[in-house]
Amino acid sequence: AQSVTQLGSHVSVSEGALVLLRCNYSSSVPPYLFWYVQYPNQGLQLLLKYTTGATLVKGINGFEAEFKKSETSFHLTKPSAHMSDAAEYFCAVSDPTGGFKTIFGAGTRLFVKA
Amino acid sequence: NAGVTQTPKFRILKIGQSMTLQCAQDMNHNYMYWYRQDPGMGLKLIYYSVGAGITDKGEVPNGYNVSRSTTEDFPLRLELAAPSQTSVYFCASSYPASGANVLTFGAGSRLTVL
Repeated sequence: AQSVTQLGSHVSVSEGALVLLRCNYSSSVPPYLFWYVQYPNQGLQLLLKYTTGATLVKGINGFEAEFKKSETSFHLTKPSAHMSDAAEYFCAVSDPTGGFKTIFGAGTRLFVKA
Repeated sequence: NAGVTQTPKFRILKIGQSMTLQCAQDMNHNYMYWYRQDPGMGLKLIYYSVGAGITDKGEVPNGYNVSRSTTEDFPLRLELAAPSQTSVYFCASSYPASGANVLTFGAGSRLTVL
């Protein structure tokens, strides 16, 4: 069975500081991996995805994530936080061989201080 | 192009009442999903469907039913509502054959059971 663990339910950074949101996954097959963002009172939007190929993937708004198979991790980073990055971020895993069920982590709320 | 449309946006139910959350998508996606979101718990998959006439249970199906008579619609039925079903419900759709199973989400339906 697949699972996703996001370390830290809340992360607070200063504007301009590095953003690092951690995600570890469990999957018996090479998974598809995703980061989604949710702004208040909205649905989720895709930030970036990894399917195959290059392990460093770039997404919208300056975010990127690196797939590390040996560590079963897919951490999300952004070099310089902006106030508009304050939101909740969800890591997700999808099994391309098992019906494409997508399982989400518990989420990490990012706070950005001025 | 409306994407994924959910109705109603808000609803208050009494214990034991029943209701249906509606979900429609106009993107010709074959996969559709229902998730519930509770604080600190992320999104939990309730049911999903890989095409008209085919549905399957997710992580938390108890107390819910679904049907998929058309590609466009995927209603979620709550029978005998309980306070534990108070949550925000999200419908999503995807088209895995496009190369990655990216989910498109609706805006959510907030349900309170009193």
